[in-house]
Parts: sequence; C-alpha cells; structure tokens
Amino acid sequence: GNSVTQMEGPVTLSEEAFLTINCTYTATGYPSLFWYVQYPGEGLQLLLKATKADDKGSNKGFEATYRKETTSFHLEKGSVQVSDSAVYFCALSGAGSSGDKLTFGTGTRLAVRP
Amino acid sequence: GAGVSQTPSNKVTEKGKYVELRCDPISGHTALYWYRQSLGQGPEFLIYFQGTGAADDSGLPNDRFFAVRPEGSVSTLKIQRTERGDSAVYLCASSLTPGPSYEQYFGPGTRLTVT
Repeated sequence: GNSVTQMEGPVTLSEEAFLTINCTYTATGYPSLFWYVQYPGEGLQLLLKATKADDKGSNKGFEATYRKETTSFHLEKGSVQVSDSAVYFCALSGAGSSGDKLTFGTGTRLAVRP
Repeated sequence: GAGVSQTPSNKVTEKGKYVELRCDPISGHTALYWYRQSLGQGPEFLIYFQGTGAADDSGLPNDRFFAVRPEGSVSTLKIQRTERGDSAVYLCASSLTPGPSYEQYFGPGTRLTVT
C-alpha cells in the first residue's frame, strides 16, 4: 500500500539556520505530494504541494521538489524563524486506487530557538 | 469566509457509550473527508463523501463507526459502543471538488476521550 516516511523529530534549530526535513514515499502510479503544517493550537493547513515529477512547490520561504527517481519530497528553508515552530506533515494522494484520500507521515516537530 | 467547523471541540465519554461528532464544511465544497489522529501520529483516513454518498469508506476501522451526509453539506460521524482505543482527535476536511490536486481544508478537530 501507499506510505510516507518522515525523519523523526523533534528538530531543534537556532533562528536563521537552514532547515531540511526528509520525506520519502512508497506509492503506485503518480501521486500528488503535499506538506501540511500544524502550528501550536491551530488546525492543519496546506504549506505547499507538487503534482508531478520535478515540480517544485514553494510558500513562505519553504520549498520542496518532487523527485520521482528517489521517491522523495524533502522540505527545505534557507533561514528559519521562531514563528516556524510547528509540526510538519508530509502527505500524498492520488496514488493507484487510493483516490483522493491523503496518506500522511507521522509528522516532524520543529522548534526554533531565538 | 468561514472555514471548516467541528463540534464539539472536546468530548469525554464513558466506555460503551454512543457519540456523534459533527462537521460543517466550507460552503459549496462537494467533497468531505474524515480522518483520525492519534497522539504522536499523522492523520489516518476514515471516510470520504462526494455529495451525499460515501465514495470511499475503506478507512473505517469496524462496524461501530458510521458516517452520514444526508444533504450533501453537514456530516456526522457516529461511534457506537465506544472503546478506550477510540480516543483520538477526529479531523474533518473539505475540498471544492474531488481530486488529488485540490487542497483539503481542515477543521480544528474534535478531541474524543473515552474513559
């Protein structure tokens, strides 16, 4: 079946540090890939997405590139801020017979120190 | 505009009781999804509605779980004979139209605790 594997957290960084959160997936066909973010006390919200191989999703300084050859969708940001502290979820949908439902990874908690 | 809303925000119930969780999707959204998130885990799919019908209920764990969407808008997730293992945050999401490329907008969730 479809699955998403994320690096385990928590990840603790100082402000302005470079961020990478690894995400790899297993799926049939050509899924769409997503990063969702959950800020403290708030609901899940879409951060960025990519719908085909080699697409780059970007938003709020975050980027991720859909790499079919390595089945990866790593999240990066060049300079994190304290306000980026949150839990980040990698997800996929549209793989094989899975239809529109999202399959999520376990989440990676990021803490950014001033 | 208004986002996805869920009520109640918290529900504590005794083992064996029946509970109903409500979801109000964004107006005009035809697709509605239910997920369950256990502590320290990512959300897991339960059921998906397109309009009034359940297009995919493959994630419902057993026949104690049932969901309806009678008028194609509000949905209710119903859990019979609750068990302690049902304790989790139940999330609802809606999207304008079905399709893996369309954003799903999530509600704040209902935290269910079964004692």
